[in-house]
Amino acid sequence: DTAVSQTPKYLVTQMGNDKSIKCEQNLGHDTMYWYKQDSKKFLKIMFSYNNKELIINETVPNRFSPKSPDKAHLNLHINSLELGDSAVYFCASSRQTSYEQYFGPGTRLTVT
Amino acid sequence: KQEVTQIPAALSVPEGENLVLNCSFTDSAIYNLQWFRQDPGKGLTSLLLIQSSQREQTSGRLNASLDKSSGRSTLYIAASQPGDSATYLCAVEYGNKLVFGAGTILRVKS
Repeated sequence: DTAVSQTPKYLVTQMGNDKSIKCEQNLGHDTMYWYKQDSKKFLKIMFSYNNKELIINETVPNRFSPKSPDKAHLNLHINSLELGDSAVYFCASSRQTSYEQYFGPGTRLTVT
Repeated sequence: KQEVTQIPAALSVPEGENLVLNCSFTDSAIYNLQWFRQDPGKGLTSLLLIQSSQREQTSGRLNASLDKSSGRSTLYIAASQPGDSATYLCAVEYGNKLVFGAGTILRVKS
């Protein structure tokens, strides 16, 4: 059984489009995260939610809007996609903040 | 500024060798430190987590140490195997967020 799952695995789209990436965890965790891994493989936190409440927003452009309908889901919606948004986006979860984080398989977004 | 640095950037060793990966961090006010493994095109697999109050953690052939005062952690891999080939990432937790190093690419040759 997959602990943290993301859909889609690959996403190719054109500049200016709006797209969403979905994340679900079946671990019963309270905290979920979105990370971005750029072309240089550097991973950086974007958002963190605890019990559906936003607790971290790391100066991410307003075009990125996370939504947590319940504790098991954290979706990422991106408006007006730009070339620089091309990256691998990882979702993660942890029991609480400051606990071990478990990562999903990633979504490779390519903007053309 | 909270920064995490990993040395070396890449490492190639023959099978069976013991090896050490290094991680340093600039801000010692950490909650914990986590070591991950990432295989090409895959997600991250958690290897070890050391709480800020701990000095080391062990799992099988892996041993991670933490020296908060000097801002350093090491990941020791004993008797390396070709299956250990991957990128190893060090991540430090500061107030609800993980700050990652750039990783060490490890290749174990058979």
